[in-house]
Amino acid sequence: DAKTTQPNSMESNEEEPVHLPCNHSTISGTDYIHWYRQLPSQGPEYVIHGLTSNVNNRMASLAIAEDRKSSTLILHRATLRDAAVYYCIPIYNQGGKLIFGQGTELSVKP
Amino acid sequence: DAGVIQSPRHEVTEMGQEVTLRCKPISGHNSLFWYRQTMMRGLELLIYFNNNVPIDDSGMPEDRFSAKMPNASFSTLKIQPSEPRDSAVYFCASSLAFFFMEGASGNTIYFGEGSWLTVV
Repeated sequence: DAKTTQPNSMESNEEEPVHLPCNHSTISGTDYIHWYRQLPSQGPEYVIHGLTSNVNNRMASLAIAEDRKSSTLILHRATLRDAAVYYCIPIYNQGGKLIFGQGTELSVKP
Repeated sequence: DAGVIQSPRHEVTEMGQEVTLRCKPISGHNSLFWYRQTMMRGLELLIYFNNNVPIDDSGMPEDRFSAKMPNASFSTLKIQPSEPRDSAVYFCASSLAFFFMEGASGNTIYFGEGSWLTVV
């Protein structure tokens, strides 16, 4: 499985945008990039996923680099409820598994 | 929809006792996953099922752990005998399709709230 690299932690101010980066340089061409987050004392929850082009949903936007070696999760206006650990997870088609790395712990200051 | 339902939410047991964790996946989902989370090791995939059949149990730590899925709406993870190092949060998750088939990896996995296990 390819490795992902995410910052251990990031800080944001409330109401400001947050850009959470992820490097997945060994991803293969048909592997989706998923983002999940885990709020304190809860199970992980789906945020967004994409393959090649940028994606938007009500929670966030996902910007995928043209070479697909990196992606960025964008929270347009961080709220206190967005404080969580964010996981970037490339999915591998050949017996791939949803493998969680260490993720980025996002803290949001009022 | 009720989401993935796990029980018990919290359990404290003595070393050597049998522990059974239960999971009810989302209705209609045919893939089910068991994860374990600890501070040291993070989230680990233990085993996953498709259509009630175990597909990959390579993440199960040792023979003391076993998982079953007798039908589409119920799964158990059993630890016998339990040890203090088994203390962790155990998550069950389900997905609409066989998650790891080509083209299906765009599906979403839904997690339960976890079972918090402490073995003393």
